[in-house]
Amino acid sequence: DSGVTQTPKHLITATGQRVTLRCSPRSGDLSVYWYQQSLDQGLQFLIQYYNGEERAKGNILERFSAQQFPDLHSELNLSSLELGDSALYFCASSVGSGGTQETQYFGPGTRLLVL
Amino acid sequence: AQKITQTQPGMFVQEKEAVTLDCTYDTSDQSYGLFWYKQPSSGEMIFLIYQGSYDEQNATEGRYSLNFQKARKSANLVISASQLGDSAMYFCAMREGGDSNYQLIWGAGTKLIIKP
Repeated sequence: DSGVTQTPKHLITATGQRVTLRCSPRSGDLSVYWYQQSLDQGLQFLIQYYNGEERAKGNILERFSAQQFPDLHSELNLSSLELGDSALYFCASSVGSGGTQETQYFGPGTRLLVL
Repeated sequence: AQKITQTQPGMFVQEKEAVTLDCTYDTSDQSYGLFWYKQPSSGEMIFLIYQGSYDEQNATEGRYSLNFQKARKSANLVISASQLGDSAMYFCAMREGGDSNYQLIWGAGTKLIIKP
C-alpha cells in the first residue's frame, strides 16, 4: 500500500457526461500528479499540483481540469466524455515540488469506462 | 528520439531464475534520476527502485538491483530468484532536470511472465 488513495475504483458512464476523480496523497506529500494510461498510448502525464498551485502541465485536454485543495487532496474533472477517454487514471504523490531524485508513489488508479 | 527505450516487449522466465530487464535512456543532463515501477495485472503501479546519476554504487532493494552503466546510458533491472508473483509489466522511467519540469519520462514497458 503506497499510502495514496483514489476514489472511485471503477466508473462507468456515458459519452457526453462529466465525472470527478478524487485523490488523497500520502501523508506529508505536497505534490500530486495525474496520469492517464490507455492501451494504445501508455502512461501519459496530465498535470501536477504542488501545495495547491499548478506546477506543470502535460498532455491534458481542455475538457479536463484539476485542482488541489488546502487539505492537499486533488480532484480531476473530466467533461464531455468521449469513448477514447476510457482509461486507467492514476494519481501519484511526492514529498516536494519535484527533483531528479524525488520518487512518485502511485495510487491504485480509477478505471474509467465510457460507453 | 525515444528518451527511454525498453527493447523487450515481453519475456518468459523460469521460476527461481534471475531475470534482467533492459532499459536505455537518452539525456544530455548531468543530473537525472532513473526509476523502475512494477504494474501487476491488478493495475496498481508499484515503485521498485531508484538510481541517481551521481550514485557511484548500483542501487539494490531486496531481490531487485539496478545494473547502472552510465557511459552506455543503460539502467537494467535485475530480479534475482524470480517468483510467480513477479509476473507483471515493468516500466523504466527517467526524471531530468533542466527545462523538463522534472516530469517522469516513461518507457513502453516489458511484460514479464514467470513460468512455474
